[in-house]
Amino acid sequence: AQKITQTQPGMFVQEKEAVTLDCTYDTSDQSYGLFWYKQPSSGEMIFLIYQGSYDEQNATEGRYSLNFQKARKSANLVISASQLGDSAMYFCAMKVTGGGNKLTFGTGTQLKVEL
Amino acid sequence: NAGVTQTPKFRVLKTGQSMTLLCAQDMNHEYMYWYRQDPGMGLRLIHYSVGEGTTAKGEVPDGYNVSRLKKQNFLLGLESAAPSQTSVYFCASSYRGTVSYEQYFGPGTRLTVT
Repeated sequence: AQKITQTQPGMFVQEKEAVTLDCTYDTSDQSYGLFWYKQPSSGEMIFLIYQGSYDEQNATEGRYSLNFQKARKSANLVISASQLGDSAMYFCAMKVTGGGNKLTFGTGTQLKVEL
Repeated sequence: NAGVTQTPKFRVLKTGQSMTLLCAQDMNHEYMYWYRQDPGMGLRLIHYSVGEGTTAKGEVPDGYNVSRLKKQNFLLGLESAAPSQTSVYFCASSYRGTVSYEQYFGPGTRLTVT
């Protein structure tokens, strides 16, 4: 079985600063994918970034980057130059090959960006 | 291109009543999913489907049934609603294939059972 752990229920960051949201995972599969989703207060789920288990480079998408440390089983999300619009809940999730490619989610981190 | 849509957006039920949530996608995705989101627990998978006419149980299937008669639609049914089913329900869909394909989510349905 797969498990995702997000140990930071809430985080604060000042505008224009960088912030790291932690995510650790557990799986015995060799082939898996790691995802981050953003959920603003309006409720929709927005895909941010993906990292494959065989990818040698850390994924980046604009101001988002994924700090992937395979040996430590961690997939932390780094948001650079935080903006007020980044205030939201952030979920880390994992998918393994087969069985419908189901996503297993963590419990989320509530990020608040302050002036 | 509407993506993933869910009907209704809000619903209040009394204990014991039944209802069906409808999910529709126009991206020709093979896989579809139903999740529920409860405070402090993230999203948990209820049921999923890997193709028309097929369904399978997820992590929390009890009290729910699903059907996928058409590729673009995935229905979630509550036969006898209970207060424990008060939650926000999300439908999602994705392409079949490698783990790299993201899941696209609908806007959610907020269900309250009194």
